[in-house]
Amino acid sequence: QQQVKQSPQSLIVQKGGISIINCAYENTAFDYFPWYQQFPGKGPALLIAIRPDVSEKKEGRFTISFNKSAKQFSLHIMDSQPGDSATYFCAASPGSARQLTFGSGTQLTVLP
Amino acid sequence: TAGITQAPTSQILAAGRSMTLRCTQDMRHNAMYWYRQDLGLGLRLIHYSNTAGTTGKGEVPDGYSVSRANTDDFPLTLASAVPSQTSVYFCASSDYYGYTFGSGTRLTVV
Repeated sequence: QQQVKQSPQSLIVQKGGISIINCAYENTAFDYFPWYQQFPGKGPALLIAIRPDVSEKKEGRFTISFNKSAKQFSLHIMDSQPGDSATYFCAASPGSARQLTFGSGTQLTVLP
Repeated sequence: TAGITQAPTSQILAAGRSMTLRCTQDMRHNAMYWYRQDLGLGLRLIHYSNTAGTTGKGEVPDGYSVSRANTDDFPLTLASAVPSQTSVYFCASSDYYGYTFGSGTRLTVV
């Protein structure tokens, strides 16, 4: 049972373009929605996170948009750079210190 | 540098053999986790521990066991490995601010 559905599986974007990754969840108890970035051979690292009391959170070129009624959230990477090429995972949990349920991952390639 | 240390980095294991993947943290986090990562399936929770002395089952616990004798160590044991346990295994710990992951153990069961 996949409680967090992530799309697309892979994404290719030109340098300077906008990368958009979408996630949908089912469990209404989820109230913490982080995104993780993983480079080859490394463990995932926290990129940005949002709680449902806000609809958007921005940190530099990275923005999370959150739609509570639709149970969807997305990651937007503005001015995408080749160094952003990595696998991105969305996740959700009922609290930040609780067990995360991960999406299936999106492999992003930013072409120079 | 504070964080999670996993060992070994990689291992080839014969089917039917046992193995323990080691995980140590130095952040004094109460909660620790083991995930496996498989292409197209993301990260799936195997076992977790909310505090020393307690453990719980995640989404895919069959064939794995864990123990949490103290705050810092959270080993994962495969009693009798099978090829379907070929995967990359990540240990993590968490506090209020989020998760910290180790660099992973790549395990191949042949």
